[in-house]
Amino acid sequence: DAKTTQPPSMDCAEGRAANLPCNHSTISGNEYVYWYRQIHSQGPQYIIHGLKNNETNEMASLIITEDRKSSTLILPHATLRDTAVYYCIVRVVFGGYQKVTFGTGTKLQVIP
Amino acid sequence: EAQVTQNPRYLITVTGKKLTVTCSQNMNHEYMSWYRQDPGLGLRQIYYSMNVEVTDKGDVPEGYKVSRKEKRNFPLILESPSPNQTSLYFCASSLVGGDNQPQHFGDGTRLSIL
Repeated sequence: DAKTTQPPSMDCAEGRAANLPCNHSTISGNEYVYWYRQIHSQGPQYIIHGLKNNETNEMASLIITEDRKSSTLILPHATLRDTAVYYCIVRVVFGGYQKVTFGTGTKLQVIP
Repeated sequence: EAQVTQNPRYLITVTGKKLTVTCSQNMNHEYMSWYRQDPGLGLRQIYYSMNVEVTDKGDVPEGYKVSRKEKRNFPLILESPSPNQTSLYFCASSLVGGDNQPQHFGDGTRLSIL
């Protein structure tokens, strides 16, 4: 089973880019990488996902290494509202089968 | 508004007293899932369902039951709750799609089993 490893905590200055790494060295070919964040104990909020290409949306960018063994979530201009726990997830949905593996998350503190 | 709704949000109960946590989504999603979140363990999948009358076990199904009689609803049933099921529970739903559509999560249900 794929596992994800994340640093437990990181700090980032407000206005700077936050780069959150994730290791998923046992990922298999049909598993996607997702990033979610959770503020306090609210429901996880979707940020971005990808299979092997880099992805960008209005919230963030996702960089996946060529061997797919690691990825980095980039928040380009962190604000205080980005303070949250960020989860890297490996997930595959195929036909009637779903396998989801959450990491233990990185607590990002954005500092004024 | 597109959402996943869980009820109750908080519940304190006693060992052995059957309880049901409801989950409903208004997005016509095929997939629905239940997770539990425990300190240091992250979120773990309990059960999931790909469509009506089709359910399957996740990583930690012991002590739980689910049913999917309607597409929009996916209740989680604890027939005989025990203290080790004290946790924060989340329901999620997603579309079936070629690029693995993301899951939408509810706001959570905090269960305390005494």
